[in-house]
Amino acid sequence: GAGVSQSPRYKVAKRGQDVALRCDPISGHVSLFWYQQALGQGPEFLTYFQNEAQLDKSGLPSDRFFAERPEGSVSTLKIQRTQQEDSAVYLCASSFRYQETQYFGPGTRLLVL
Amino acid sequence: AQTVTQSQPEMSVQEAETVTLSCTYDTSENNYYLFWYKQPPSRQMILVIRQEAYKQQNATENRFSVNFQKAAKSFSLKISDSQLGDTAMYFCAFIAPNTGKLIFGQGTTLQVKP
Repeated sequence: GAGVSQSPRYKVAKRGQDVALRCDPISGHVSLFWYQQALGQGPEFLTYFQNEAQLDKSGLPSDRFFAERPEGSVSTLKIQRTQQEDSAVYLCASSFRYQETQYFGPGTRLLVL
Repeated sequence: AQTVTQSQPEMSVQEAETVTLSCTYDTSENNYYLFWYKQPPSRQMILVIRQEAYKQQNATENRFSVNFQKAAKSFSLKISDSQLGDTAMYFCAFIAPNTGKLIFGQGTTLQVKP
C-alpha cells in the first residue's frame, strides 16, 4: 500500500511568513508523529496524535508551532511568523498502534530566508 | 532523562566486508523498543531492524543483525556483506515507554567503498 506522504517537499519562506506542512499517514494508522531534523542531526520529537487527539505536544519549540489532525487522518503542522532557526526538515511518521514501528514520510525541507 | 548515544560520527567499510555500528542508551525503564533506521542521502528514513527489550534473542533481518546487551544498555548493528546501497546515515532510536515517541541518536554516516 501507499506509504506516508508529505507536501510540499520543499518550501522557501521569507522570515515572518506563515507556512503549513501536510502529512498523509498510512491508511488505518492510528498514531501520527511530527519530528524536526536539523542538518546532520537526528530527528527530534515535536508532537504526537492518537486519532484526532493531540496527546503530546511537549516538543513544539514555541507557541508559533501548531499542529492539528481534525479527522484523525491527515495532519497539518503550521508555523507562524517563521524565523531562520525554523529552517529544517520536518518529518512525519505514522504507526498502526501506539509503540508500534513508525514509518516515515520523505519530509518537507523548509528554508527560511 | 532518556538519551541515545552514537559515538561514531563517520565510518567506512569496503564492499562485501562487515561493519558494526555502536549505540548506547540510558533509561530506567525495563520494557521498551529499540530501532535502527537508515537515511540515504536526500531520501527518506526507512526501518532497518527492531528489537523488543523483553526478548533476549537478538533480532536479525537478512544481512542486518543486532547485538543487544540489556544490562550494558548497548544496541549495536552489524551489517554483513556490505553493499554500495548501504551507504547512508544510520540512526539508533529508542521508544520511550508510555509516550510512544522516538528518541534518536546523533547518527553515524556509513560510506561503503567499492
